[in-house]
Amino acid sequence: GAVVSQHPSWVICKSGTSVKIECRSLDFQATTMFWYRQFPKQSLMLMATSNEGSKATYEQGVEKDKFLINHASLTLSTLTVTSAHPEDSSFYICSASPWTGERETQYFGPGTRLLVL
Amino acid sequence: AQTVTQSQPEMSVQEAETVTLSCTYDTSESDYYLFWYKQPPSRQMILVIRQEAYKQQNATENRFSVNFQKAAKSFSLKISDSQLGDAAMYFCAYMEYGNKLVFGAGTILRVKS
Repeated sequence: GAVVSQHPSWVICKSGTSVKIECRSLDFQATTMFWYRQFPKQSLMLMATSNEGSKATYEQGVEKDKFLINHASLTLSTLTVTSAHPEDSSFYICSASPWTGERETQYFGPGTRLLVL
Repeated sequence: AQTVTQSQPEMSVQEAETVTLSCTYDTSESDYYLFWYKQPPSRQMILVIRQEAYKQQNATENRFSVNFQKAAKSFSLKISDSQLGDAAMYFCAYMEYGNKLVFGAGTILRVKS
């Protein structure tokens, strides 16, 4: 149980285009989903917290107009990187906390590698 | 703001031996959660073990156990009978208000055969 998927797992795009990453909780409903960014051999950096049906809460220094987050249902959150540039190239990971049971535990997706040319 | 410190950038262990990864944290809260996550080369984050601060008993999951010292704000992970599949980056994490996780810098664990 507690499986989270991400799609796509790997994406290459041209500078200036937008990229959408989906995060789904497959076997549980998630009240809250989180989006992280990770650079090679570094820790995870929280970008934003997403609650179903409400606006995302962004961490300090994260551009909300650049990283659009939509949490349309209890099983789906999307991150759209708008007008992507090479410096946005990174590994993006989502996580989800269950609606019931161990609500304090975050289960992570497999991540999405983004390369902007 | 809460901080999590992992002072060991890298650790090595011989297969079948025991290794302990260190973690300290800073908080003024009395009730919170602590976690160890494993990130293998695939980069999939895997929950290893969790500890609730109000529980004095140390959490255990098969070969993985923690030594939780609340007064010292220490949360170390012990891996017994190490296996090649244990090789990964290990992150200690503290959960603060709003269920946000604060991660340590990570410890790379290498397992020698």
